[in-house]
Amino acid sequence: GESVGLHLPTLSVQEGDNSIINCAYSNSASDYFIWYKQESGKGPQFIIDIRSNMDKRQGQRVTVLLNKTVKHLSLQIAATQPGDSAVYFCAENYGGSQGNLIFGKGTKLSVKP
Amino acid sequence: DGGITQSPKYLFRKEGQNVTLSCEQNLNHDAMYWYRQDPGQGLRLIYYSQIVNDFQKGDIAEGYSVSREKKESFPLTVTSAQKNPTAFYLCASSIYRDRAQPQHFGDGTRLSIL
Repeated sequence: GESVGLHLPTLSVQEGDNSIINCAYSNSASDYFIWYKQESGKGPQFIIDIRSNMDKRQGQRVTVLLNKTVKHLSLQIAATQPGDSAVYFCAENYGGSQGNLIFGKGTKLSVKP
Repeated sequence: DGGITQSPKYLFRKEGQNVTLSCEQNLNHDAMYWYRQDPGQGLRLIYYSQIVNDFQKGDIAEGYSVSREKKESFPLTVTSAQKNPTAFYLCASSIYRDRAQPQHFGDGTRLSIL
């Protein structure tokens, strides 16, 4: 089927290496951020989130870093596996109406065996 | 298992036809959302509903309509007024009262024009 990954920046890594995916967010008033993983033909899957009163949060094999000074968010994936191949995108809650999110366009991660 | 179910997975629309996409959730979430995804683009909000019998337009509501008669269900109708309906449509839900909560997504419906 048609890929949501068309025309996206691509990060290619070797299996077992660490991956770092970056996201620049738009609104300095945003106070909540989420990373999603989307495989071809499927809906986005929640990976990890972080609130603006934190600058780092860790999950299983993933770490999110938040730099509010430069409005930058990153997702680090340790020991990247072929199953990590997908499109990754960030989302920010900019305030306004309850729960509305702004989504980035995404980065396609390709893991070479 | 709790989750969001979208149906059908693929849908085809003829000229002048309205089509309805189904979204059902059993997560007991108050808020539900519809997004449109086009290749290489971020998700764009069509409509959202924070509570039963209430819904609000998102950024690209023209040509679409929704209803929220039950907490579990939030169907989206793509009307003939939507001139470029070909896209991947995603439904999501979240807990209502706390903004700092993730939205959880279904697996989408791909709509194409015949």
